[in-house]
Amino acid sequence: DAKTTQPPSMDCAEGRAANLPCNHSTISGNEYVYWYRQIHSQGPQYIIHGLKNNETNEMASLIITEDRKSSTLILPHATLRDTAVYYCIVRAPLYNQGGKLIFGQGTELSVKP
Amino acid sequence: GAVVSQHPSWVICKSGTSVKIECRSLDFQATTMFWYRQFPKQSLMLMATSNEGSKATYEQGVEKDKFLINHASLTLSTLTVTSAHPEDSSFYICSARKDILLNTEAFFGQGTRLTVV
Repeated sequence: DAKTTQPPSMDCAEGRAANLPCNHSTISGNEYVYWYRQIHSQGPQYIIHGLKNNETNEMASLIITEDRKSSTLILPHATLRDTAVYYCIVRAPLYNQGGKLIFGQGTELSVKP
Repeated sequence: GAVVSQHPSWVICKSGTSVKIECRSLDFQATTMFWYRQFPKQSLMLMATSNEGSKATYEQGVEKDKFLINHASLTLSTLTVTSAHPEDSSFYICSARKDILLNTEAFFGQGTRLTVV
């Protein structure tokens, strides 16, 4: 599985955009980038995923560089409830070990008033 | 999104006893489920991949005889911690994926906090 590198922590002002970077320089062509977040003492929550193109949903946007070696998760208007640990995961295809998700250390995002 | 439910949410047991944790996909069928555990201030560590109707695949270093996994139906997987000891106290989390669609997201349960005394 490709490994990811994320900053251990970030701060963001409430109402501003939170941009969380992730490096995955060893990603292969058929591996997807997934983002999850975990609020304290809860199970992880799915945010978004992508392969090559940028993606947007009601929660966030995912920007993947053209060479796919890095990506950025964007929370357009961060709120206090977005305070959580954010995990960037490169997931192998389904035919490879069932597409399991291997979690790294993530980024602890603190949204401040 | 799809719902994955774990039961119980928390459990306290005596050292030497066994504890069973259930993971259910409530509104979809899950051919594959995953079990994780998480120690305080650490990330999730994958323990095993559970496939319906077959033996689980354990990650390196995880004792299969201690952490028994059964995936008897498309909506239920169980993790049994046998002869639990205080060092097994942890947050156990399951996830499930709709395998009928390619590259869909996995959904996670709310977790089970196990305390062994």
